[in-house]
Amino acid sequence: EAGVAQSPRYKIIEKRQSVAFWCNPISGHATLYWYQQILGQGPKLLIQFQNNGVVDDSQLPKDRFSAERLKGVDSTLKIQPAKLEDSAVYLCASSWAEGQADFGEGSWLTVV
Amino acid sequence: AQSVTQLDSQVPVFEEAPVELRCNYSSSVSVYLFWYVQYPNQGLQLLLKYLSGSTLVKGINGFEAEFNKSQTSFHLRKPSVHISDTAEYFCAVSPTGANNLFFGTGTRLTVIP
Repeated sequence: EAGVAQSPRYKIIEKRQSVAFWCNPISGHATLYWYQQILGQGPKLLIQFQNNGVVDDSQLPKDRFSAERLKGVDSTLKIQPAKLEDSAVYLCASSWAEGQADFGEGSWLTVV
Repeated sequence: AQSVTQLDSQVPVFEEAPVELRCNYSSSVSVYLFWYVQYPNQGLQLLLKYLSGSTLVKGINGFEAEFNKSQTSFHLRKPSVHISDTAEYFCAVSPTGANNLFFGTGTRLTVIP
């Protein structure tokens, strides 16, 4: 079974530029999550989708971050414009049931 | 609201020695409990989880954890560590019925040869 796929793995951008990350969840997983992991901290939930609907986006900085999951499968996370403090690993995860989640390898963002 | 406290940010231990990584949580509702491991430049891998039943949970790579409801703890243990166990370990909780995860700040385990 293929795992959660994320791309790009690494990205370096200048502040005020934009960036987009892509996630392909495990087939059949209805729930998809984006987490932000800043160096030295635990992952923090940015947004949670159930199929193509948003369940929780209370921690998403909506002035600069956006995410979509149009067909209930793949998802993209966009940052525009980026700030230095957005440097982090962006983890995508998917789940088919309560108490279960599979994580991708993450997209590492450096904003300079 | 939920919170997870990992009391030790770094734990150095000699190879083949036992180790315990501590985790305490706070929640107003019932939770599921998890331990994840993160190797350098990789994502999170599930070590073990407690959903219900026996409070002693065995996971991969020889790790185990015990759920203590009265002390709201879920400490991770391994009787004999290997060099390959060097990694970051995260404790997490998920409120029952909510299907999302709240993570601690992590514990960096370094195994010394």
